[in-house]
Amino acid sequence: DTEVTQTPKHLVMGMTNKKSLKCEQHMGHRAMYWYKQKAKKPPELMFVYSYEKLSINESVPSRFSPECPNSSLLNLHLHALQPEDSALYLCASSQDRKGGPMATEAFFGQGTRLTVV
Amino acid sequence: AQKVTQAQTEISVVEKEDVTLDCVYETRDTTYYLFWYKQPPSGELVFLIRRNSFDEQNEISGRYSWNFQKSTSSFNFTITASQVVDSAVYFCALSGDTSGTYKYIFGTGTRLKVLA
Repeated sequence: DTEVTQTPKHLVMGMTNKKSLKCEQHMGHRAMYWYKQKAKKPPELMFVYSYEKLSINESVPSRFSPECPNSSLLNLHLHALQPEDSALYLCASSQDRKGGPMATEAFFGQGTRLTVV
Repeated sequence: AQKVTQAQTEISVVEKEDVTLDCVYETRDTTYYLFWYKQPPSGELVFLIRRNSFDEQNEISGRYSWNFQKSTSSFNFTITASQVVDSAVYFCALSGDTSGTYKYIFGTGTRLKVLA
């Protein structure tokens, strides 16, 4: 069983809807991530939180808004999405060691499969 | 610039065959990390191995083995006696701090199909 839990597993939303994706980990990790993955492509980094502060935003459109309420939780708020935003959204967590969080292995959730109609 | 190349898009093997997944990387960093992840149909990426640039020892974990060769900038992954459960997409990734911050660079992935 994965130790990173994402909800919901599937989400269909209209372009005017507001929804949120949720991610939870209980491994004591201090870095958490959102990735977007289109079919047959590798994951693309969206955001990195380190010690609950946003440390990396890969120029993601403002219709995606991340939030890290505490060290175990990570949310991704969605508003006014476009059909091209349909993808698998993966959350991950890792230790934040010397060198930074991405110098170490990450643990991924099963993802939320998002369809924008 | 950093780059990871997985030239094999898709590989099909029959169960019990050995299979090697290739990974070639480019980086100017002296300190970097290499990873392999498995993505089964369920969606999550499963961590398999992490290697730092100063450790060229090959590693074996059960049916899995990894061959890291800095001279050829390769970090290949071999599955011995493949099983149907090995069917997945496998990603090789590089993490270096060229831009001042470590970031994963993923290869495009190799889809492995193991046929019964």
